[in-house]
Amino acid sequence: AQSVTQLDSHVSVSEGTPVLLRCNYSSSYSPSLFWYVQHPNKGLQLLLKYTSAATLVKGINGFEAEFKKSETSFHLTKPSAHMSDAAEYFCVVTSGTYKYIFGTGTRLKVLA
Amino acid sequence: DVKVTQSSRYLVKRTGEKVFLECVQDMDHENMFWYRQDPGLGLRLIYFSYDVKMKEKGDIPEGYSVSREKKERFSLILESASTNQTSMYLCASSFPIWAGSYGYTFGSGTRLTVV
Repeated sequence: AQSVTQLDSHVSVSEGTPVLLRCNYSSSYSPSLFWYVQHPNKGLQLLLKYTSAATLVKGINGFEAEFKKSETSFHLTKPSAHMSDAAEYFCVVTSGTYKYIFGTGTRLKVLA
Repeated sequence: DVKVTQSSRYLVKRTGEKVFLECVQDMDHENMFWYRQDPGLGLRLIYFSYDVKMKEKGDIPEGYSVSREKKERFSLILESASTNQTSMYLCASSFPIWAGSYGYTFGSGTRLTVV
């Protein structure tokens, strides 16, 4: 069975400081992992994906995530937050089926 | 620019009405999906389709049906709308898994309010 847990429902950071959004997963098979971002009243946009290649994955807008099998984690980071990063972020896992399992989301607030 | 287009951004319908939500993609994707998104619950899969005229139930299919007569179009139908179906509905499409896990492409969503 697969599952994904986003450890924080809300995260607040100051503009220019680092961002860390945490995600743990559970999967019986080699997973593919994704991070999506959703801005208010918009659909979800793919930020980055891990599909068994390099464990450090770089995405759009300066975000990156590291796949750590020993910790079953796939945390999303960014060195310096920008006001435009304020959004909701979803961690997603799949294990070779059609079905993607979504986390419940982390809402990122960026303070001026 | 590749797209998944949902026909309505906002809809208000009355209880008991039959509601159609339309989704069209221009990427020649085999798979198409309907999710609903509710605060604190994340995204929940209603139905998906892996080919024309093929459909599979997701996690919460009750009260919904779907139609896929053409590859590019996937419709979600609320047979008799109820207030507990007030939600954001998201359509997505993707290549089949055997083509690689490239992720979904999502539409912008339809916010449905049933009164």
